[in-house]
Amino acid sequence: EVKLVESGGGLEQPGGSLRLSCTASGFTFSSYPMIWVRQAPGKGLECVSYIGSDGSATLYADSVKGRFTISRDNAKNSLYLQMNSLRDDDTAIYYCAKVLPGTTGGEYWGQGTLVSVSS
Amino acid sequence: DIVMTQTPLSSPVTLGQPASISCRSSQSLVHSDGNTFLSWLQQRPGQPPRLLIYKISNRFSGVPDRFSGSGAGTEFTLKISRVEAEDVGVYYCTQATQFPYTFGQGTKLEIK
Repeated sequence: EVKLVESGGGLEQPGGSLRLSCTASGFTFSSYPMIWVRQAPGKGLECVSYIGSDGSATLYADSVKGRFTISRDNAKNSLYLQMNSLRDDDTAIYYCAKVLPGTTGGEYWGQGTLVSVSS
Repeated sequence: DIVMTQTPLSSPVTLGQPASISCRSSQSLVHSDGNTFLSWLQQRPGQPPRLLIYKISNRFSGVPDRFSGSGAGTEFTLKISRVEAEDVGVYYCTQATQFPYTFGQGTKLEIK
């Protein structure tokens, strides 16, 4: 069974930093790209970052470029999102999702972790 | 970025009746490899999104056959042949043809 578990969310002040983690199980993590998708309270979905299976390719939405960094540790079956210079509008539930190349962006999704940015 | 536009944004449906959601993309979703990476997601209240349909019309593992997808190019449709109570939630179309992957605004399916 594929399982994705996010952690690291919480309350942070504007300008602060948080590091999100996503621990994967039930599949060969090192073989698949991964994405982070966020959902502001009561709003729709926004894909903020992508990372290739070996970590060499990374992509970012314009809204987070230069502030967020995606990375992965395939030995630990873990995905990360380093979030710096946080802003109020970064407040959202952050989901990690498994990409199935040649098929779809979000094949399996975690339960999400809530990031709240407020003074 | 590719803009995904869904209609309607809200769909009250009687149990057992069909439902249909449309999705339009601002540009063709046909990838250079010939595939069209258009998927549909379901998000039940308080839950994460769940993949229903991928590459326009392929049902994901475990998805009931009352769900079907169709379309091509820039116009796509999700149909539910007979709505059940468990189908309540928000449905999103999404494209993975070009990064950033983008999503429609969501269509809220509710029971009349």
